[in-house]
Amino acid sequence: EDQVTQSPEALRLQEGESSSLNCSYTVSGLRGLFWYRQDPGKGPEFLFTLYSAGEEKEKERLKATLTKKESFLHITAPKPEDSATYLCAAEGGSEKLVFGKGTKLTVNP
Amino acid sequence: DARVTQTPRHKVTEMGQEVTMRCQPILGHNTVFWYRQTMMQGLELLAYFRNRAPLDDSGMPKDRFSAEMPDATLATLKIQPSEPRDSAVYFCASGDGTGIHEQYFGPGTRLTVT
Repeated sequence: EDQVTQSPEALRLQEGESSSLNCSYTVSGLRGLFWYRQDPGKGPEFLFTLYSAGEEKEKERLKATLTKKESFLHITAPKPEDSATYLCAAEGGSEKLVFGKGTKLTVNP
Repeated sequence: DARVTQTPRHKVTEMGQEVTMRCQPILGHNTVFWYRQTMMQGLELLAYFRNRAPLDDSGMPKDRFSAEMPDATLATLKIQPSEPRDSAVYFCASGDGTGIHEQYFGPGTRLTVT
């Protein structure tokens, strides 16, 4: 059974304090690894798609990387507006996304 | 600004009542997904459609849930009869169906069954 596990469940950072979120996946025939951001009361917002090990994508203070077993979302010098829940999802051969339960990030000013 | 829209945004109903949730996918997107999100389970896929045809509904309780796409601009999710354990946020997402594709989510319908 395909599985996606995210850690930590919650992370509290000071503004400017860089860190990484982890997403471990067990998926048969990975076709894509997705990162989403979800703000309270809203739907997930698409951030990145990674297709193969070694690939990296960047957007502002966020950088996503992919290995054969994990993906990391690196947050460099975060700001309070980066506070949100970050969701990781994997798409295998079935075309269906399997989501992790997310990491709730809080960035204090 | 192309977005997925969902109605209603909030619904409170009594156990046993029928609930209908509606979704308008992004124009031009041919794949529509229904998800349910709870604190305990996270995001779970209920069903999805491509070109209005159901491809997979294995995530839905078959006896009470049904999903349809009457036309390319409308997807519906019905629960009949509703139960308290159905309380959750229901999201619709759409994608363009070309290969490995990103899914774009609507704002969700928060359902409370008392």
